[in-house]
Amino acid sequence: SQTIHQWPATLVQPVGSPLSLECTVEGTSNPNLYWYRQAAGRGLQLLFYSVGIGQISSEVPQNLSASRPQDRQFILSSKKLLLSDSGFYLCAWSVLSGAAEAFFGQGTRLTVV
Amino acid sequence: QQQVKQSPQSLIVQKGGIPIINCAYENTAFDYFPWYQQFPGKGPALLIAIRPDVSEKKEGRFTISFNKSAKQFSLHIMDSQPGDSATYFCAASKGTSGSRLTFGEGTQLTVNP
Repeated sequence: SQTIHQWPATLVQPVGSPLSLECTVEGTSNPNLYWYRQAAGRGLQLLFYSVGIGQISSEVPQNLSASRPQDRQFILSSKKLLLSDSGFYLCAWSVLSGAAEAFFGQGTRLTVV
Repeated sequence: QQQVKQSPQSLIVQKGGIPIINCAYENTAFDYFPWYQQFPGKGPALLIAIRPDVSEKKEGRFTISFNKSAKQFSLHIMDSQPGDSATYFCAASKGTSGSRLTFGEGTQLTVNP
């Protein structure tokens, strides 16, 4: 069966520090991969999505970037964090062909102080 | 431009009640409509989904009603329990490979004992 791993679960970082969040998927090949951000009490904002290695599409211009160095690995990064980067970050995957449902990881709670 | 509008933002019911959450979409190309359930501090989990070739789908206590002409769909939770207290998101997509989900803003449901 397919599983998605996302870490760390929580993170407290000072303003101006770098960020690296990692997500890996097991049990499937060529998945679509997604990074979402969720502010407290709000909906899901799509940040980046990828349909293949090295292929990244950005939905919202911001202080973040994403990379996909391997088929089932998706990384969210920042060179210098801002206070406004605080939030709940979720990685998700969907199959490349067929139904479009997305499966989410357990999320990373990022607090920038 | 928000393409999926969800209401209400929050909902409180007594145990055994039938909460109803509504969503409306704009893009007539959408043909896949899932609902996600999210508990605090966790990632959203797929609950139930429907395609527009049927007007209703039931899985256990959860039912989706779909009105294609009105471009609306709703989630009904029969015999609601305190354990159903969570945030619920509707979503829509074109249901084809690589199609991204567009999420509603979410409904925070509280089921009182």
